[in-house]
Amino acid sequence: GAVVSQHPSRVICKSGTSVKIECRSLDFQATTMFWYRQFPKQSLMLMATSNEGSKATYEQGVEKDKFLINHASLTLSTLTVTSAHPEDSSFYICSAGLPHLNEQFFGPGTRLTVL
Amino acid sequence: SQELEQSPQSLIVQEGKNLTINCTSSKTLYGLYWYKQKYGEGLIFLMMLQKGGEEKSHEKITAKLDEKKQQSSLHITASQPSHAGIYLCGAGSAGGTSYGKLTFGQGTILTVHP
Repeated sequence: GAVVSQHPSRVICKSGTSVKIECRSLDFQATTMFWYRQFPKQSLMLMATSNEGSKATYEQGVEKDKFLINHASLTLSTLTVTSAHPEDSSFYICSAGLPHLNEQFFGPGTRLTVL
Repeated sequence: SQELEQSPQSLIVQEGKNLTINCTSSKTLYGLYWYKQKYGEGLIFLMMLQKGGEEKSHEKITAKLDEKKQQSSLHITASQPSHAGIYLCGAGSAGGTSYGKLTFGQGTILTVHP
């Protein structure tokens, strides 16, 4: 199946710094990618839809100035957590799909720890 | 908004036993995805169901979507320790620009004892 990668897999940062997470579709082009967040022992919550060449669409309650999304190419979307705080510590996962196959593929996730 | 309820929340079985995980929606499902996740890792796509009454199988895992498209079940036959993990059902949107946007159930933690 199609492969979605994320980088980094783990990141530890100090409170107040910004962290960028990359999501790449390795063998297919994705005009739309999705960013999810998962807290320990909880399910995935959709944060935003990343649209290539246009602004991201954020879910209710997600601060767009806090979580900056850029989808500069058909194979890359980035999520930047700005001025990170300990409560932003979480597991962030991206996904991209193949509409003609009705399949959604997820990246391996990025574990962010803010000290 | 659509809500998905999974049951049971956790399941412990002996190797070789069959098991079923259920996923119930408050609204009609336009696409129901099943994924498996190891803790701290990404999601592995298992199956996607779209039509009422549809049933798909892969190796020892069978997923069904009921005729009313509001409930799905995932059945594992002769479970193995390799089946252990978190099983998540996810519901897609009606299509168009919302394609791929998934709402997930809370997950079912499966433990298989050898």
